[in-house]
Amino acid sequence: SSELTQDPAVSVALGQTVRITCQGDSLRSYYASWYQQKPGQAPVLVIYGKNNRPSGIPDRFSGSSSGNTASLTITGAQAEDEADYYCNSRDSSGNHHVVFGGGTKLTVL
Amino acid sequence: QVQLVQSGAEVKKPGASVKVSCKASGYTFTSYYMHWVRQAPGQGLEWMGIINPSGGSTSYAQKFQGRVTMTRDTSTSTVYMELSSLRSEDTAVYYCARGWYRADYDAFDIWGQGTMVTVSS
Repeated sequence: SSELTQDPAVSVALGQTVRITCQGDSLRSYYASWYQQKPGQAPVLVIYGKNNRPSGIPDRFSGSSSGNTASLTITGAQAEDEADYYCNSRDSSGNHHVVFGGGTKLTVL
Repeated sequence: QVQLVQSGAEVKKPGASVKVSCKASGYTFTSYYMHWVRQAPGQGLEWMGIINPSGGSTSYAQKFQGRVTMTRDTSTSTVYMELSSLRSEDTAVYYCARGWYRADYDAFDIWGQGTMVTVSS
């Protein structure tokens, strides 16, 4: 199996840009997907694949990848973006297993 | 619309089993994998396993091997997750999530509302 590592907490001033990162060996082979979770709610997919947004996700959310690190960038963070963010990817086992990062709590100041 | 509706909250005693259902609607049930993910109180997301609703094949995270069973009923477009030998550490919200499987990524695009399972004596 493999692991994905995220910073536990990140903060950003309202309207500024923030990057949330996810590191792991599996990211050398597979793209990460990113999820936003607000308290008491189910996660919501915000970025998948190379850099794709599901319908309804604002274009201030974008994704990128380099080596063993995937990044979620929010350009012009809004108050409503305050949430927990999780990355996941297929792991390297070849068994179609999936692994999640530990999550990043984003605070918008 | 596309949605996943899960069964209601459960309270179980240690050592018991729990079976959570997830009913899909609004899409072709057999065209997408289904994953199960859990989240303990105040903790992160933990992947449990995957089922292919088309043929019923499964693959489980090593942590749950021997304790979890995922099944499906194509006649009702429902998947099930049964977890046995419950202990207090299994207290969590359990989610089903529809999966996209592509050559270079997985994505969970639709999630159920979650089912709270409490294990307590």
